[in-house]
Amino acid sequence: SAVISQKPSRDICQRGTSLTIQCQVDSQVTMMFWYRQQPGQSLTLIATANQGSEATYESGFVIDKFPISRPNLTFSTLTVSNMSPEDSSIYLCSVAMGSYNEQFFGPGTRLTVL
Amino acid sequence: KQEVTQIPAALSVPEGENLVLNCSFTDSAIYNLQWFRQDPGKGLTSLLLIQSSQREQTSGRLNASLDKSSGRSTLYIAASQPGDSATYLCAVQTGANNLFFGTGTRLTVIP
Repeated sequence: SAVISQKPSRDICQRGTSLTIQCQVDSQVTMMFWYRQQPGQSLTLIATANQGSEATYESGFVIDKFPISRPNLTFSTLTVSNMSPEDSSIYLCSVAMGSYNEQFFGPGTRLTVL
Repeated sequence: KQEVTQIPAALSVPEGENLVLNCSFTDSAIYNLQWFRQDPGKGLTSLLLIQSSQREQTSGRLNASLDKSSGRSTLYIAASQPGDSATYLCAVQTGANNLFFGTGTRLTVIP
């Protein structure tokens, strides 16, 4: 398994601002993922972040709104840009490990946009 | 697109009871299936992973089964405890490593 930490754990932000969320893993991993969990809903994949290449975004998510960095094999950031109240969600990073790509999740960042 | 459904959405049982959570998915071309638990305001904890070639997987009081042809999985919890109270999420993984999540079952175990 992996130990994954995220910063910040929660934040309250004003409309129109941006927030960068950090994800740190205790071991080197190739694949990292960013998910969003809107209130009362399940998780939706935002993008896959592989080190050394551009992030791959899922339908409905664009780089201008959710830029991602992956500078090395243990760290990634997700920025939520030009925020609106609709961006209020829990944002989670995950990694895939092992022969069967079992995914492990960080504790999440709870974002509230006023 | 893969769609994952979990029934029931919420379940309340007395302590000590055995229970079954259900998960169904629309596309049987999966790589594996994972069950997670999520405590309120927290991240996800991986409980069990079943490979597409497996029929079941066990961990302690938990047993997960997979019937890929019918697009179904169940999570059996034996001798439930108040500490089992959480939301249980089922997720199927495609070859692209994308996890498709169900909507979850919120379990409450009453002491």
